[in-house]
Amino acid sequence: QTVVTQEPSFSVSPGGTVTLTCGLNSGSVSTTYYPSWYQQTPGQAPRTLIYSTNTRSSGVPDRFSGSILGNKAALTITGAQAEDESDYYCVLYMGSGISVFGTGTKVTVL
Amino acid sequence: QVQLQESGPGLVKPSETLSLTCTVSGGSISSYYWSWIRQPPGKGLEWIGYIYYSGSTSYNPSLKSRVTISVDTSKNQFSLRLSSVTAADTAVYYCARRDGNSRAHDYWGRGTLVTVSS
Repeated sequence: QTVVTQEPSFSVSPGGTVTLTCGLNSGSVSTTYYPSWYQQTPGQAPRTLIYSTNTRSSGVPDRFSGSILGNKAALTITGAQAEDESDYYCVLYMGSGISVFGTGTKVTVL
Repeated sequence: QVQLQESGPGLVKPSETLSLTCTVSGGSISSYYWSWIRQPPGKGLEWIGYIYYSGSTSYNPSLKSRVTISVDTSKNQFSLRLSSVTAADTAVYYCARRDGNSRAHDYWGRGTLVTVSS
C-alpha cells in the first residue's frame, strides 16, 4: 500500500523559514509524481498552493515555493507570517489516475 | 470563476448507501476531471476517486469495491455513491476539479459533513 509521509508538525518563528517534506514509502519522489501542495485552515476547504512540483497557484504569495529535495518533494515558506499557521498536505499522482494525499503537517507560527 | 457545491443527506444509517451530488457553476463540466475527497473529523484528507466528463473513472483502491462516481453533463453535475457505510465513513466530503495537465485539484467545494449513525 502506498503511503505518502509528511512531518506531523513544525514550529516556525514569524519571519523565519520552514521546509516541509513529502516522501514515499516505496521509493523516491520525482517530478513525474506531479507533487502538489495544499493549505487548510480549520473549518475551511483546502487551498491550492503549488502544483507540478514548483508552480505557484494564482494569488499565492511568493514566500511559498516548491521543489524536489533529495528523494522528497518539499514546500518551503520563506518569511513565515502569522496567517501561514495551517495544516499543509501534499498530493502525489501515482499513475492510472490515482492520487494519494500525504499525512499532513501542522505548522505553528510563534 | 468556477464554483462547486456539494449537496445531499447529512445523516446516513450504517449499511446504507451515501449519495452526494456536486453542482458546478461558472464553467462547463466538460474537458475536466472531477474528484471526490473526504476528511474524517480531526484527520487528514483522502482521495476517493474521479470521473472525466466523458464518464471514465478512477477510484482509490481501498474504496473501489464500494464507490461509484457518475456524471450528468446536461446538469453540470457529478455524483458519489458509497455503499455499505460504517461509522468510519463519517467525514466532510469535498468535490473538486482536477486539472488534466498538472493533476492538481484547483477548485474545491466548501465540503459537506456526512455522519453515519443509526
